[in-house]
Amino acid sequence: QSVLTQPPSVSAAPGQKVTISCSGSSSRIENYYVSWYQQLPGTAPKLLIYDNNKRPSGIPDRFSGSKSGTSATLGITGLQTGDEADYYCGTWDSSMSAGPNWVFGGGTKLTVL
Amino acid sequence: QLQLQESGPGLVKPSETLSLTCTVSGGSISSTSYYWGWIRQPPGKGLEWIGIIYYDGSTYYNPSLNSRVTISVDTSKNHFSLKLSSVTAADTAMYYCARHLSAASGILIDYWGQGTLVTVSS
Repeated sequence: QSVLTQPPSVSAAPGQKVTISCSGSSSRIENYYVSWYQQLPGTAPKLLIYDNNKRPSGIPDRFSGSKSGTSATLGITGLQTGDEADYYCGTWDSSMSAGPNWVFGGGTKLTVL
Repeated sequence: QLQLQESGPGLVKPSETLSLTCTVSGGSISSTSYYWGWIRQPPGKGLEWIGIIYYDGSTYYNPSLNSRVTISVDTSKNHFSLKLSSVTAADTAMYYCARHLSAASGILIDYWGQGTLVTVSS
């Protein structure tokens, strides 16, 4: 069971907007930066958003990230069939008593209807 | 262009040790800006972070795997390695090596290898 909670699935029609949430305990998200990863079918994950809301070079501005309190959100506008993928949030948690480590959300499957 | 390439046996017997190597090209594993690590994904399931290593050999491991995991680095060969001992069928997964950027905001995973499937079976 992941320490970051994401909805298992979301869906929307082409051209529409969708949001994916990522919630965690106060120490995990509130105090740290969140990244988002896109995993297209049969491929390795790719960095989509980092530092809560920054896009790496080459990521279109249809993808956005935000964070408020203990929740982070990935937004995708102008949905395309090529956006169908699994999306994961993650963060570096340096507060854990067992030592700092990276934690992932359980992943959300996006279906573009 | 940075490339990370995983290599190692695709089939490991139960109770044995899984060994994988990630060869880095297009960048130096001795860069002070990065950690290098491993992430796995069981078939049809989510991502699980395994651990990372810095060029000087310092490591961080997932507490749930800590007793079975060893990550090492060879800067002369520009590669790093994973050993996971006493494997069971639950360790069957796609194993990815990944670069972790060390920034003021923390550590983030910014580049992934293509992955290699390891099956644990007799």
